[in-house]
Amino acid sequence: AQSVTQLGSHVSVSEGALVLLRCNYSSSVPPYLFWYVQYPNQGLQLLLKYTTGATLVKGINGFEAEFKKSETSFHLTKPSAHMSDAAEYFCAVSDPNAGKSTFGDGTTLTVKP
Amino acid sequence: DAMVIQNPRYQVTQFGKPVTLSCSQTLNHNVMYWYQQKSSQAPKLLFHYYDKDFNNEADTPDNFQSRRPNTSFCFLDIRSPGLGDAAMYLCATSRGVGQGLEKLFFGSGTQLSVL
Repeated sequence: AQSVTQLGSHVSVSEGALVLLRCNYSSSVPPYLFWYVQYPNQGLQLLLKYTTGATLVKGINGFEAEFKKSETSFHLTKPSAHMSDAAEYFCAVSDPNAGKSTFGDGTTLTVKP
Repeated sequence: DAMVIQNPRYQVTQFGKPVTLSCSQTLNHNVMYWYQQKSSQAPKLLFHYYDKDFNNEADTPDNFQSRRPNTSFCFLDIRSPGLGDAAMYLCATSRGVGQGLEKLFFGSGTQLSVL
């Protein structure tokens, strides 16, 4: 069984400020972890993923995330927010052998000028 | 360059009137998924096909069915839509299990309204 908890359904930052979106997961097997972004009325787009190897992963648009097994966390960060980062962000966990992903409830990121 | 294509983009149906949503892919992926996403909620997996093998989630209502006539196409049939079925329906694909589940490719979704 697997689950995802995203802490904070809404996060607001000023343009240029640090972005931190929190994700904690539960999985009975070594998980694959993902962050997806969704813009209004669109499908989800992969930002970054962790499968194996290096625990700090870099994605598109300057985002990165660190897999911390001891904390069962996979928080998403970006050093400097841009107006175009305003969107819904979903953390997801997959059991590689089950072939399907479970999503968190999402975090809406607002970027203020 | 669209890889996962959903049609139509918006669908309006009447309460109880059957409706079909379609999804096609040009990626030749083994697995196709249907997710239901209600406003401000997580995408919820309804079912998926691994090749021709159908996998239904335990809590997916019987009102929802799916067909995959070939690798490229997958359909979502809602037999008798209720007001609670109004949602965004997302189709996604992946290469498969294990290393193949490194990434889901999503379509742009079909927004279903039930009047």
